[in-house]
Amino acid sequence: QSVLTQPPSASGTPGQRVTISCSGSSSNIGSNTVNWYQQLPGTAPKLLIYGNNRPSGVPDRFSGSRSGTSASLAISGLQSEDDADYYCAAWDDSLHGVVFGGGTKVTVL
Amino acid sequence: QVQLVQSGAEVKKPGASVKVSCKASGYTFIDYYIHWVRQAPGQGLEWMGWIHLNSGGTNYAQKFQGRVTMTRDTSISTAYMELTRLRSDDTALYFCARQNTFDIWGQGTMVTVSS
Repeated sequence: QSVLTQPPSASGTPGQRVTISCSGSSSNIGSNTVNWYQQLPGTAPKLLIYGNNRPSGVPDRFSGSRSGTSASLAISGLQSEDDADYYCAAWDDSLHGVVFGGGTKVTVL
Repeated sequence: QVQLVQSGAEVKKPGASVKVSCKASGYTFIDYYIHWVRQAPGQGLEWMGWIHLNSGGTNYAQKFQGRVTMTRDTSISTAYMELTRLRSDDTALYFCARQNTFDIWGQGTMVTVSS
């Protein structure tokens, strides 16, 4: 099992808002930046959010937040192309490495 | 443009070793780290370690200590990941990714371990 905990699935209809949670501990999310990645089928992951920032080219429909030892990714105005897997990740001070969530499959109904 | 291009798919027998390359272009190679991440079929992402491209310093995930070696050749802007004593559960897609944000990813290299 993964060090960071994500729900395995989430869904919504076009235009809706979907939120994905990522739960960790004081050694990872509680003290380090959380990044989010989107992985479309058959492709490499793509950086979506780093900390509270979006790389150039990522729509502002995607936003990240953190509170204590948990983080969330919100997708507002859901679109069909958002149908993908989403992963959270953070550095872990105890493990001295990067830890990932197990991934959340977002389905656009 | 900024990109990482990985070597092609590999098929190996249990007990063998594999070495995957990751060639960088479009930016100053030694200014960054390269991380390696793998993904078993139908599974999530798993971090393997990083190499600091300027110093050559490395940090490996405990799970892979003793079996993984990450190196680089700065003259050709290429990083390498070698995994030894391969097992069937090492069958996975192996990615290289730039920097601690993983802002740029290679396309992935499929490594299949089968007798």
